[in-house]
Amino acid sequence: LAKTTQPISMDSYEGQEVNITCSHNNIATNDYITWYQQFPSQGPRFIIQGYKTKVTNEVASLFIPADRKSSTLSLPRVSLSDTAVYYCLVGDRNAGNMLTFGGGTRLMVKP
Amino acid sequence: GAVVSQHPSWVICKSGTSVKIECRSLDFQATTMFWYRQFPKQSLMLMATSNEGSKATYEQGVEKDKFLINHASLTLSTLTVTSAHPEDSSFYICSASYRVENQPQHFGDGTRLSIL
Repeated sequence: LAKTTQPISMDSYEGQEVNITCSHNNIATNDYITWYQQFPSQGPRFIIQGYKTKVTNEVASLFIPADRKSSTLSLPRVSLSDTAVYYCLVGDRNAGNMLTFGGGTRLMVKP
Repeated sequence: GAVVSQHPSWVICKSGTSVKIECRSLDFQATTMFWYRQFPKQSLMLMATSNEGSKATYEQGVEKDKFLINHASLTLSTLTVTSAHPEDSSFYICSASYRVENQPQHFGDGTRLSIL
């Protein structure tokens, strides 16, 4: 399973765009990149998933360069409620979607 | 979207008690379920992977006789912490997936276990 590296923490202000980058240098051909959000005392919540290039949904965008050795989660115009831990994971789509959680990025959004 | 329900959300019990935690996929059939443990301010640690109808696969360092996992149907997996002790106090989270390409894991809301 590919190991991921993310910044431990980030600070931002309401209304700003936040970009969280994740490194996954040994990503395998079958691996997808998935981002989750976790609030205290709750299970992780799926944000977005991608394989290459760019993926966008109603809450975030995911940018993946051609070599797929990193990815960037982009949160547009964050609010206080976006304060959470964000996890980047890579997993083999053919392995029952087993995932290994890294340390995650603790995002603090300030007023 | 896919929903995973976990029960109970919070349990306190005496040392030596066995505690069962249920994980249900409410609107899809989960071919695989995962059990994680999370200590305060730490990341999730995978404990075991269970496939419907077969024995669970435990991660290194996780005692299979201590943490009994049953995945008897495509919508239900249970984790039983046997003879729980204070060091077993933690936040236990399950997740479920079904074997379709590109489908992410869906997580339950976790069970806070406190052993006195």
